[in-house]
Amino acid sequence: EVRLVESGGGLVQPGGSLRLSCAASGFNFGAYWMTWVRQVPGKGLEWVANIKEDESEMSSAESVQGRFTISRDNAKNSLYLQMNSLRAEDTAVYYCARDSYGWGSHDYWGQGTLVTVSS
Amino acid sequence: QSALTQPASVSESPGQSITISCSGTSRDIGGYNSVSWYQQHPGKAPRLMIYQVSNRPSGVSNRFSGSKSGNTASLSISGLQAEDEADYYCSSYRRGSTSYVFGTGTKVTVL
Repeated sequence: EVRLVESGGGLVQPGGSLRLSCAASGFNFGAYWMTWVRQVPGKGLEWVANIKEDESEMSSAESVQGRFTISRDNAKNSLYLQMNSLRAEDTAVYYCARDSYGWGSHDYWGQGTLVTVSS
Repeated sequence: QSALTQPASVSESPGQSITISCSGTSRDIGGYNSVSWYQQHPGKAPRLMIYQVSNRPSGVSNRFSGSKSGNTASLSISGLQAEDEADYYCSSYRRGSTSYVFGTGTKVTVL
């Protein structure tokens, strides 16, 4: 069974940092692009960043460029999102998702982890 | 980054059909066959319903179908059922500084 489990969310002050993790199981993690997507409670989905199977390519949304860094450890079947210089507008549920079928189609999602940026 | 444009809400009676539009530009929907559609029930993670414009993943009902014309993609749901009541989001690859973009989301209500 494919499982994605996010962790690391919580309350952080503006300007602070947080590192999210996504533990993958039930599939060959190193064979898939992976993505982070976020959702402000009650609002729509926003694509955040993605990373190629071997970390040779990665992209991020304009809204987080220079502040967020996506990475992975295939030996640990884990995906990460390092979030620095956090702002109130980064408050959201953060999902990790597996990319299948190419072109950013996410067939499996985690349950999400809530990040709250507030003083 | 600007989101793809979807109607805020669509309502229809059980057994009827609906179509949800997703409007973009030549930099995204019009330029690539990369449109995906997701269904999201309250408090749940999104579920992939359509990928690469018109393909259904295993396990998705054939009542769901996708298409594209120019810069606009569409998701059609036939034989509406109560369980189809959810939020629906399109997404597409976008050429430029942001790789992917989601739509604004459409709330589907089964009357």
